[in-house]
Order: sequence, then C-alpha cells, then structure tokens
Amino acid sequence: EAGVAQSPRYKIIEKRQSVAFWCNPISGHATLYWYQQILGQGPKLLIQFQNNGVVDDSQLPKDRFSAERLKGVDSTLKIQPAKLEDSAVYLCASSSLVAGGPDTQYFGPGTRLTVL
Amino acid sequence: GDSVTQMEGPVTLSEEAFLTINCTYTATGYPSLFWYVQYPGEGLQLLLKATKADDKGSNKGFEATYRKETTSFHLEKGSVQVSDSAVYFCALRARYKLIFGSGTRLLVRP
Repeated sequence: EAGVAQSPRYKIIEKRQSVAFWCNPISGHATLYWYQQILGQGPKLLIQFQNNGVVDDSQLPKDRFSAERLKGVDSTLKIQPAKLEDSAVYLCASSSLVAGGPDTQYFGPGTRLTVL
Repeated sequence: GDSVTQMEGPVTLSEEAFLTINCTYTATGYPSLFWYVQYPGEGLQLLLKATKADDKGSNKGFEATYRKETTSFHLEKGSVQVSDSAVYFCALRARYKLIFGSGTRLLVRP
C-alpha cells in the first residue's frame, strides 16, 4: 500500500514570496491533516479536512495561509506571502475510520521550507 | 488546555542499555495516548498507542503503559540498538486532534 505522498521535499524562498505544497493521502482515507513542525518542536495541527470539508482550521494563520482539498482526495497548502517564521517542515497526514481507526494517522515525509 | 510534556534530549545510550523516555500529559476527559518515532529524513511513524487507563502499548520491543493516576505514558525498551536512534514524540488525541510533545532525540552508540 502506498503511503502519504508529499512534494516538493525541500523548498527555499525569499520572504514575501509565495509557495505551495502538495499532498496525496493514502487511497480511501477520508481525513487529511496539515501540520507545521518548527525545528525543535512537535508538530502543530494547521488544518483538518474530512473529505473536502474543513473540520478544524483554528490554528491556521488565515491572513497568509490557505488550504484546499478539491474532490476530497489530494490537497494543497499555500503560503502567501511567506515570513521568516514560516521556516518549518510541513507534514501531511491521513487517517481512515476503517483502516486503523481515526486514532491512527499516517504521515508523509514532509516538505522542509526555508524562508530567507 | 490539553498538553504533553516530554523529557528533554538528547538521550545518549550505549547499545543494549535500558531506555526510559518520560512523558506526562494534561487533558480533560480520557484521551488516547501515542508514541511516534521520526527516523532521520523520514516522516513520523506510529510506534505504539493506548486508548484507556492501564492499557499497555507495545511494538518492536518498546512498551508504554497508560497511567491515569500519574497522567503519564513513559516509553521503555529493555535493550536499545543503534537503529533505534531517532526522535521520539509523545502525543495525545483529544477529541479529533493530535497534540504532540516537543520530542526527545535518542542517540545509541555502538
């Protein structure tokens, strides 16, 4: 079974530029999560989708971050414009009510963003 | 609010040593508890979990017991290997959200 796919793996941009990350969850997983992991910290949930609807985006800085999950499959997270403090690893995860249960989230390898 | 506190690292051990990584939590209700591991260059992987008090999660020689009275979920392994070198994250699931600790880096020397 293929895992959660993310791209790109690495991205370096200047502050005030825009950037987008892509995630493809495990096939059949209805729930998709985006996390931000700053160096030396644990992941922090940014947004959670159930199919193509948003369940929780309370921690998403909506003035600069946006995310969508059209058709309830893959998802895109965008930052516009980027700030220095956005430098982090962005993790995507998915889970299923059936396979492993809602408790078990499967993580992708992450995208490491460096903002200069 | 809900939170997880882990011992700071790095933890440096010799191969075959005994490992304990402490984790305590604060939560309302009865959260599920998890240990995730992150190997260099890879994503987070679920190591083990426990969903109710006194449950013991185990996997790959690692164990952790859900202790409600001490609000703890300490990770243990009797004999570590060099391949166990990684960052370990304790987490709780409150309602639908995973809340992570800050992680503990483990270095195992041959």
